[in-house]
Amino acid sequence: ILNVEQSPQSLHVQEGDSTNFTCSFPSSNFYALHWYRWETAKSPEALFVMTLNGDEKKKGRISATLNTKEGYSYLYIKGSQPEDSATYLCAFPWSNTGKLIFGQGTTLQVKP
Amino acid sequence: DTAVSQTPKYLVTQMGNDKSIKCEQNLGHDTMYWYKQDSKKFLKIMFSYNNKELIINETVPNRFSPKSPDKAHLNLHINSLELGDSAVYFCASSRGWSTEAFFGQGTRLTVV
Repeated sequence: ILNVEQSPQSLHVQEGDSTNFTCSFPSSNFYALHWYRWETAKSPEALFVMTLNGDEKKKGRISATLNTKEGYSYLYIKGSQPEDSATYLCAFPWSNTGKLIFGQGTTLQVKP
Repeated sequence: DTAVSQTPKYLVTQMGNDKSIKCEQNLGHDTMYWYKQDSKKFLKIMFSYNNKELIINETVPNRFSPKSPDKAHLNLHINSLELGDSAVYFCASSRGWSTEAFFGQGTRLTVV
């Protein structure tokens, strides 16, 4: 069974707090790991695509790390702002089947 | 220019009707997908097409039939609509199955 698990399911933080969440995926047949940001009433938008073990990517205050051997990725947000409130999804392309499997997401709410 | 566009954005219809949702991408991508967002906001893959060829049919009832007239279009036709088909449907495209996906704005289907 292919499982992409994200934790926590939801998170409430104060403005200025730094936070992180986890995506777990199968460590065999790894090709890539995607992170998406999904704001309410919009469609998911890609943040990062990571392919190499030990990869670290950064976009502004958001960064992500990847461990393909143990099958996890962390997403970090430094100094959270209310506009960071969204659901953060990770996705795992399964082998060469054309299946892009999404986790259930972590919903972040940043209070001013 | 909208990269991935779906029409209509909202669709309200009666049980038993047949309806279509259209999707077009102007990104020159080879791979297109249909996802169904369930009540918990989980994105579940329905179909994946590569170069007009069906790659994945993810145990979707055969009342759902995707049609890809060309690489830039992947339409979703649904026959004999049921109440349980009510959901938001997202179309997406990518250069390949391991690269980032670009999503349409979603179609909210309500079956009454």
